[in-house]
Amino acid sequence: NAGVTQTPKFQVLKTGQSMTLQCAQDMNHNSMYWYRQDPGMGLRLIYYSASEGTTDKGEVPNGYNVSRLNKREFSLRLESAAPSQTSVYFCATDLAGTGEQFFGPGTRLTVL
Amino acid sequence: DQQVKQNSPSLSVQEGRISILNCDYTNSMFDYFLWYKKYPAEGPTFLISISSIKDKNEDGRFTVFLNKSAKHLSLHIVPSQPGDSAVYFCAAKSGGSNYKLTFGKGTLLTVNP
Repeated sequence: NAGVTQTPKFQVLKTGQSMTLQCAQDMNHNSMYWYRQDPGMGLRLIYYSASEGTTDKGEVPNGYNVSRLNKREFSLRLESAAPSQTSVYFCATDLAGTGEQFFGPGTRLTVL
Repeated sequence: DQQVKQNSPSLSVQEGRISILNCDYTNSMFDYFLWYKKYPAEGPTFLISISSIKDKNEDGRFTVFLNKSAKHLSLHIVPSQPGDSAVYFCAAKSGGSNYKLTFGKGTLLTVNP
């Protein structure tokens, strides 16, 4: 079992470019989450999906969109990247909002 | 406004001694608290949790204490080992159908051999 996988691991974008971060889990969990981690800021929730077919905004949703493609996959899209979106992005999952989340290895994104 | 605060950015202890990491919260609706551990270039991993109906939860070398009146929790690691060196995040959530976790900024623990 791979747990939670994220692609790509690293990405460099120019301002205004778009990209999609992919996340997949094989844990049969219902809930999935996208966080960003910035130096000195801890982890901040961008969007989450409580179950297949639903998505909700977290603490810092501006500039992002998400798609819960099926139970396994939850993608995060940056339509027009900005330098302020330079960060490490983590996908996570848990059974149904228990709080005991399993995290992927992260995507390190740099926007120039 | 930070609802979960970890006021010590870093902590250094000697191998074999106790490590105490602290966390304060302001939201009285929080009723479930968790600690996560994060190594560089990896995702966080769940360590231990505590419900607000308890004041202590123990798992091997790790114990979490909750003081609801003070809105304070702490993680004790005894004895500390060099492999415990990592960033520790405190997190909290409220009950019911709330799926959101609120994280603190983290404390970097260094355990010196």
